[in-house]
Amino acid sequence: DQQVKQNSPSLSVQEGRISILNCDYTNSMFDYFLWYKKYPAEGPTFLISISSIKDKNEDGRFTVFLNKSAKHLSLHIVPSQPGDSAVYFCAASALVQGAQKLVFGQGTRLTINP
Amino acid sequence: DTAVSQTPKYLVTQMGNDKSIKCEQNLGHDTMYWYKQDSKKFLKIMFSYNNKELIINETVPNRFSPKSPDKAHLNLHINSLELGDSAVYFCASSQTRGVGGYTFGSGTRLTVV
Repeated sequence: DQQVKQNSPSLSVQEGRISILNCDYTNSMFDYFLWYKKYPAEGPTFLISISSIKDKNEDGRFTVFLNKSAKHLSLHIVPSQPGDSAVYFCAASALVQGAQKLVFGQGTRLTINP
Repeated sequence: DTAVSQTPKYLVTQMGNDKSIKCEQNLGHDTMYWYKQDSKKFLKIMFSYNNKELIINETVPNRFSPKSPDKAHLNLHINSLELGDSAVYFCASSQTRGVGGYTFGSGTRLTVV
């Protein structure tokens, strides 16, 4: 039972346009949601997060939206740049015995076309 | 001065062998993790240590044994390797509560032949 799902394995966007990556989750106990970016042969790197008590968090070109009633979050990148081409992982966090346990989606490969 | 470093980066070995993957973090974090990225690209937690104490142990075969000699190190030892163990293994660390989540190492690609 996959608690965090990214239903689009890939997305292709024109440079300068908006990229929208989506994520759905099933467990209401998650209290933080995060997006990670991953380049080939590297580990995932943190991009942006949002607390479950908020519905929007913005950091430069990146904005994450959370719809708790729909158990859905999305990452908006605008304007998209070629360097944004990577795999994006959505993750949901719960505190388990003092440790932050992250549950990841399966990732969406974003390709920005010049 | 890599924040979370794993060695080796690549590991090719035969079925039945025993191997270890080492992980070190210099961030002063108190919690370390091992994640496995399988062939379907899912990142799944295996273990978590907080100040050298095992606190998360997901459903992982007994052949996998983590060892944390101090809070900056978390090594993964795998006995009697099987073909299905082939995957990319990521080490990560975090503060107990941080909105930035984890800092990941660059991964160890294990191939069992």
